[in-house]
Amino acid sequence: QQQVKQSPQSLIVQKGGISIINCAYENTAFDYFPWYQQFPGKGPALLIAIRPDVSEKKEGRFTISFNKSAKQFSLHIMDSQPGDSATYFCAASYNFNKFYFGSGTKLNVKP
Amino acid sequence: ETGVTQSPTHLIKTRGQQVTLRCSSQSGHNTVSWYQQALGQGPQFIFQYYREEENGRGNFPPRFSGLQFPNYSSELNVNALELDDSALYLCASSLGGPIYNEQFFGPGTRLTVL
Repeated sequence: QQQVKQSPQSLIVQKGGISIINCAYENTAFDYFPWYQQFPGKGPALLIAIRPDVSEKKEGRFTISFNKSAKQFSLHIMDSQPGDSATYFCAASYNFNKFYFGSGTKLNVKP
Repeated sequence: ETGVTQSPTHLIKTRGQQVTLRCSSQSGHNTVSWYQQALGQGPQFIFQYYREEENGRGNFPPRFSGLQFPNYSSELNVNALELDDSALYLCASSLGGPIYNEQFFGPGTRLTVL
C-alpha cells in the first residue's frame, strides 16, 4: 500500500511560470509533511515543510498548501527558474520517525 | 560543521554476496536513518537508529541489518544480495529528541548487483 501518492511524474514549465506538484496521503496519523529537492548525483535536501495544524506555509518562492480533510498537500513554486530544474519529492512522517516518500516529480524549467 | 558523508560512492557486487555501507552523521547529530532509492523512485525507509538503538524499521527483510556506533556513525549491511537490491542507498542524520528536527541526507552509495 503506497502511503503517499505524488503527481505529476514530470512537469515542464516556462521560466517565470508557476510549478504545482500534488501529493495525497492515507494515514491520518501523519504529523509532518516535508518537500525535498534532489539534483542528479545528490541526496535529497529539505525545501520546505508543514505541520497539519496550518493550511499554508510560504518561504520565498515556495509555498505548501495543506488540506487536512482531503488528505492532500501541494507545492507551488512561483516565478520558476531554470535552476529549479530537479526532482521533487513529497513525504509524510509520524513523530519524525518513518518517512514515507512520494514517487517524485521531475521538473524542467525552460528558459 | 561537516555534512553527512557516505562510503563507498559506488559498489558492484554479485548476487548472493554481502555488502557493508557506511555513513558518518553530521556533527552533533545522534540519529541516522537509511533509505533505499530505486532508479526513478522515491526513497524507501529501511530503518532508523537513535543513540545506538534501532528506532523503527520499514518493510525490509531481516537480511538488511544495521549498526550505530558510539560516535553515531552507522553501517548498513545487506546479506544474500539479490538483483533487486540494486539502488542508491541514502543515509540521513538528524538530532533526535522530543521536537522535530530536519534530517540531512548524504550523497548516497550506488549499489549494483550483477
